[in-house]
Amino acid sequence: GQNIDQPTEMTATEGAIVQINCTYQTSGFNGLFWYQQHAGEAPTFLSYNVLDGLEEKGRFSSFLSRSKGYSYLLLKELQMKDSASYLCAVRALLWGTASKLTFGTGTRLQVTL
Amino acid sequence: DSGVTQTPKHLITATGQRVTLRCSPRSGDLSVYWYQQSLDQGLQFLIQYYNGEERAKGNILERFSAQQFPDLHSELNLSSLELGDSALYFCASSVGTGATEQYFGPGTRLTVT
Repeated sequence: GQNIDQPTEMTATEGAIVQINCTYQTSGFNGLFWYQQHAGEAPTFLSYNVLDGLEEKGRFSSFLSRSKGYSYLLLKELQMKDSASYLCAVRALLWGTASKLTFGTGTRLQVTL
Repeated sequence: DSGVTQTPKHLITATGQRVTLRCSPRSGDLSVYWYQQSLDQGLQFLIQYYNGEERAKGNILERFSAQQFPDLHSELNLSSLELGDSALYFCASSVGTGATEQYFGPGTRLTVT
């Protein structure tokens, strides 16, 4: 099976930097995703890592260490609109090219003034 | 707007009833995924279809079934509804089975009374 852990809630100040951690255990690892989800809305894709290292995309960066089963999402220059849930998701190969995406329960980030 | 459409947006029904949720993927996407999101369990993968065929199965109950039609739209059928089935149901689509990004629809909020 798969197990994904991330903090339930975090609070940070506008303009600051925040790091949201995610640890996972899975077999057949085939990539780690971060999604942003505002309350009552659809998740939107933020980043994808399949190899170790840092992927940077504007104010957002994501890091992966496959040997440690660890990832983080780094948000810089926080804005009020970044207040949302951040979902860590792990893709695992099932058979052939079939795969399954398993989501963590999400980290609810509150950005304050 | 992700390009994925779902209908209806809201659905209220009674226990024991049956409902059908509909999803149209983005133009060109062959894979459709169904997810259930309830407050206490996060986003749970239910099932995936690729070009009309079932590709991967997650935590889908036997009371639930899905299909993907030749025009690639998909329907999720929920029967013998229980109070615990109340949740947001999301459909997502991607180009293929191993695509790096899934695009989520706006969801259908199902309330079972």
